[in-house]
Amino acid sequence: NAGVTQTPKFQVLKTGQSMTLQCAQDMNHNSMYWYRQDPGMGLRLIYYSASEGTTDKGEVPNGYNVSRLNKREFSLRLESAAPSQTSVYFCASRTSPWEDTQYFGPGTRLTVL
Amino acid sequence: SQQGEEDPQALSIQEGENATMNCSYKTSINNLQWYRQNSGRGLVHLILIRSNEREKHSGRLRVTLDTSKKSSSLLITASRAADTASYFCATPTQTGANNLFFGTGTRLTVIP
Repeated sequence: NAGVTQTPKFQVLKTGQSMTLQCAQDMNHNSMYWYRQDPGMGLRLIYYSASEGTTDKGEVPNGYNVSRLNKREFSLRLESAAPSQTSVYFCASRTSPWEDTQYFGPGTRLTVL
Repeated sequence: SQQGEEDPQALSIQEGENATMNCSYKTSINNLQWYRQNSGRGLVHLILIRSNEREKHSGRLRVTLDTSKKSSSLLITASRAADTASYFCATPTQTGANNLFFGTGTRLTVIP
């Protein structure tokens, strides 16, 4: 049982490049989340998917898009990366929006030059 | 914002001592959670306390919740070097999505 997995672990992009961060969970969870974490700040929600087939904006969605590919996978896409998107990105999942505990992946450290 | 704020931002103690960190929040909640993050890792859920509970224990962890003051504290007793990590409180939003707001965290260093 791998839990929540994320790929890649590290990535360096140039301004304007695009990339997709991948997330998968094997816990049969319905809800999945993408957060970013910047120094001195807590986690900020980018997008979430309360259940398969639905996605919604979180606190900081600008510059990002998401796809809930199936129940297991939730990807985050940066269409045109900017230095302000340099951050550590975490994916999380939970059984349902009414289950409080979230389970986190190990993170992707992204640097945009 | 409902975001919780932890206090202190950083805490350094000797192994064996107790560590106390606090979280304040702004709106009514039905529960509050604490998470731990080791350096370079994802967050790990530690404990959840509901609004009708005043205190909860889990191993060396003790969490209190004072809904009248909108605050919570996390006490780690007999700290170990392995407790070195950042600790975050998280509160649910009041929206139907029931997402979580995370505080900015307390960085705990336990010196062997």
